Amino acid sequence: KAGVTQTPRYLIKTRGQQVTLSCSPISGHRSVSWYQQTPGQGLQFLFEYFSETQRNKGNFPGRFSGRQFSNSRSEMNVSTLELGDSALYLCASSYNPGHKDYNEQFFGPGTRLTVL
Amino acid sequence: AQSVTQLGSHVSVSEGALVLLRCNYSSSVPPYLFWYVQYPNQGLQLLLKYTTGATLVKGINGFEAEFKKSETSFHLTKPSAHMSDAAEYFCAVSANFGNEKLTFGTGTRLTIIP
Repeated sequence: KAGVTQTPRYLIKTRGQQVTLSCSPISGHRSVSWYQQTPGQGLQFLFEYFSETQRNKGNFPGRFSGRQFSNSRSEMNVSTLELGDSALYLCASSYNPGHKDYNEQFFGPGTRLTVL
Repeated sequence: AQSVTQLGSHVSVSEGALVLLRCNYSSSVPPYLFWYVQYPNQGLQLLLKYTTGATLVKGINGFEAEFKKSETSFHLTKPSAHMSDAAEYFCAVSANFGNEKLTFGTGTRLTIIP
């Protein structure tokens, strides 16, 4: 089974631009979560999508948004980029049938975004 | 709300020595606890998890952790360090099942001395 894939792996943008990152979950997984990793703030939860609906949201400004498609693939968008948005953005997927014990989250390799 | 504290941002041990990485948690509900490992330029890999049941949890690569409710701790150990264990390790907590939000600690970078 293929793992979680994220594209692109590396991105360089300038301040004020917007960016879209893509995540393809493991086949059959319905939940996709996004995390931001920076040296200063560590790993922080952005949001989680399940069956095309945002189910959980972290404490990030509205410039950060996401969506999930019917095939469970997910995208996140950051508008009006700031220097502080430079980070590794990690996507994780899980099966999550909703009524069983905890389902492991499988992480992708991340997209490294650099804002100049 | 849930939080985790990892004591020691950097830990160095000699090859063959005991590895001990510390994690304390805070949770208003019974927590689910995890240890993840991250190698350079890679995502996170789950080492082990505690959800319910046995408090001593065994994971991959010879790691194990013990959930101690009285001490609110979930320390990660390995009896004998190997060079390949050099990586960054993250402790994480989740509120309950069905909640995919993980709250991570700040990480501990493990260095293995030959």
